[in-house]
Amino acid sequence: EAGVTQSPTHLIKTRGQQATLRCSPISGHTSVYWYQQALGLGLQFLLWYDEGEERNRGNFPPRFSGRQFPNYSSELNVNALELDDSALYLCASRYTGTGKGYTFGSGTRLTVV
Amino acid sequence: AQSVTQLGSHVSVSEGALVLLRCNYSSSVPPYLFWYVQYPNQGLQLLLKYTSAATLVKGINGFEAEFKKSETSFHLTKPSAHMSDAAEYFCAVSEGRGDKIIFGKGTRLHILP
Repeated sequence: EAGVTQSPTHLIKTRGQQATLRCSPISGHTSVYWYQQALGLGLQFLLWYDEGEERNRGNFPPRFSGRQFPNYSSELNVNALELDDSALYLCASRYTGTGKGYTFGSGTRLTVV
Repeated sequence: AQSVTQLGSHVSVSEGALVLLRCNYSSSVPPYLFWYVQYPNQGLQLLLKYTSAATLVKGINGFEAEFKKSETSFHLTKPSAHMSDAAEYFCAVSEGRGDKIIFGKGTRLHILP
């Protein structure tokens, strides 16, 4: 089966611009999770979407937002980019309500200059 | 709220030696526990998971972990290190089947020839 796919692989933006990151979950997975992996900060939970609804949100400002589409793919939007937003953004999916771990994509490397 | 503490941001072992990566968790309910591995410029791959079945969990690539409730620990071990084990390892906890997963800050494993 195809894994979790993320696009683009790399993204370079200027401070103040907006970035849009995309994620396609494994077929049949209804939950999508977004994480930020910044240098030295580990993986920080951003957002959790399930069945098209935002279920939980990490400690990030409102300029980090997203949505989940009817086909369960998801989009993460980051507005008013700051230099500190430079990080690897990882998307993961899993079946809702299972104890199974996530399956991660390879990430989008966002660089803000 | 759940949390994970990984002891040692860097661990070095000789090829063929025992690998021991330490993880302690905090959770208000019986937890789900995970170990993930991340190779450079890649997403995270699930090594193993504990979901309230056997306390000794075997994973991929010869790794295993033991859940010790009295010590709130879930240390990762491998009897004999290989050069290919060099990567970053993340311990993680979830409080429910559908809940988000919280990650530790990671331990980078170095294998010495």
